[in-house]
Amino acid sequence: KAGVTQTPRYLIKTRGQQVTLSCSPISGHRSVSWYQQTPGQGLQFLFEYFSETQRNKGNFPGRFSGRQFSNSRSEMNVSTLELGDSALYLCASSPQTGVRSPLHFGNGTRLTVT
Amino acid sequence: GENVEQHPSTLSVQEGDSAVIKCTYSDSASNYFPWYKQELGKGPQLIIDIRSNVGEKKDQRIAVTLNKTAKHFSLHITETQPEDSAVYFCAASIGGSQGNLIFGKGTKLSVKP
Repeated sequence: KAGVTQTPRYLIKTRGQQVTLSCSPISGHRSVSWYQQTPGQGLQFLFEYFSETQRNKGNFPGRFSGRQFSNSRSEMNVSTLELGDSALYLCASSPQTGVRSPLHFGNGTRLTVT
Repeated sequence: GENVEQHPSTLSVQEGDSAVIKCTYSDSASNYFPWYKQELGKGPQLIIDIRSNVGEKKDQRIAVTLNKTAKHFSLHITETQPEDSAVYFCAASIGGSQGNLIFGKGTKLSVKP
């Protein structure tokens, strides 16, 4: 089975721009979660989607948004980029939402904001 | 707010020795505790997990223990090998949602041959 696929692997953007990251979950997985990883803050939860609905949201500003499509693929968008948004963005999928099945992470998208 | 503390931040052991990483959590409602291994350039990979109704779980050289009363859980790796070198993260679920995990800051494990 193919793992979680995230595209692109690397992105360089300028302050003020916006960016869209893509995630394809493992086949059959319906829950997709997004995390931001930085050296200072570690891994921080952004949001979780299940059946095209946002189920949970972390403590990030409204510039961070996401969506999930009917085939469970997900995108996250960051508008008005700031230098502090430079991070590794990780997507994780699981068959169900709730504490029933483990999260499987992709290899991430490395975003650099200059 | 909810918090997970992880110790130590770095750990160096000789090949064949055991390694222990400890975490404490603050949310009494947490009921799922996974451990992830992250190698350079890759995403975290689940290595073992434990739920609140279990005190210990083993998988070959890896074991996890959970003390709900004290709100702490530990990862034990026996007979360490150089390929065990990586960053290890503990995590705790927030309430009943597994999609929302609070992660520790990570432990960089180095296994010297």
